Amino acid sequence: EVQLVESGGGLVQPGGSLRLSCAASGFTFSSYWMHWVRQAPGKGLVWVSRINSDGSSTSYADSVKGRFTISRDNAKNTLYLQMNSLRAEDTAVYYCARDQYGDYLFDPWGQGTLVTVSS
Amino acid sequence: DIQMTQSPSTLSASVGDRVTITCRASQSISSWLAWYQQKPGKAPKLLIYKASSLESGVPSRFSGSGSGTEFTLTISSLQPDDFATYYCQQYNSFGVTFGGGTKVEIK
Repeated sequence: EVQLVESGGGLVQPGGSLRLSCAASGFTFSSYWMHWVRQAPGKGLVWVSRINSDGSSTSYADSVKGRFTISRDNAKNTLYLQMNSLRAEDTAVYYCARDQYGDYLFDPWGQGTLVTVSS
Repeated sequence: DIQMTQSPSTLSASVGDRVTITCRASQSISSWLAWYQQKPGKAPKLLIYKASSLESGVPSRFSGSGSGTEFTLTISSLQPDDFATYYCQQYNSFGVTFGGGTKVEIK
């Protein structure tokens, strides 16, 4: 069974840092692009970042560029999101998602991890 | 960035009803449009891609149509499991964007 399990969320003060992890199983992780998508409480979905299969290429939404870094460890079947200089508006559930067909289609998604930025 | 506008934002319907949700793009996206279903507290699930292709395992009562700037998701006969929020997503160009969502509620 294909499974994605996020961890690392929590409460952090504005300006702080947090690293999210996404453990993948049930598929050949190293063959797929991966993404992070977030959803603020009661709001819609917003794409955050993408990494290609070998980690050599990344892209980011303008709202997180320069503050967030996506990476992966194919030996550990794990995706990461390093989040620095966090702001209140970064408060959201963060989902990792597999790029199903290599063109920004997301399937499946993990269950999400909540990041709350507040003093 | 391409803006995606869904309507209605909320829809009240009964089991067995035919339901249609509309998604409009601010510029042409050809057929690069996907639909997701999200239930409360759960992750989204891909239903349809490339405007009208049904993802494996998705019931055939779901269908999608459209191209260019106007798209629809249709549920032919609403089932109890279908009460959820539906999002469209364009993936035509870098800068993936989602619609604001349509919540399908029990009437």
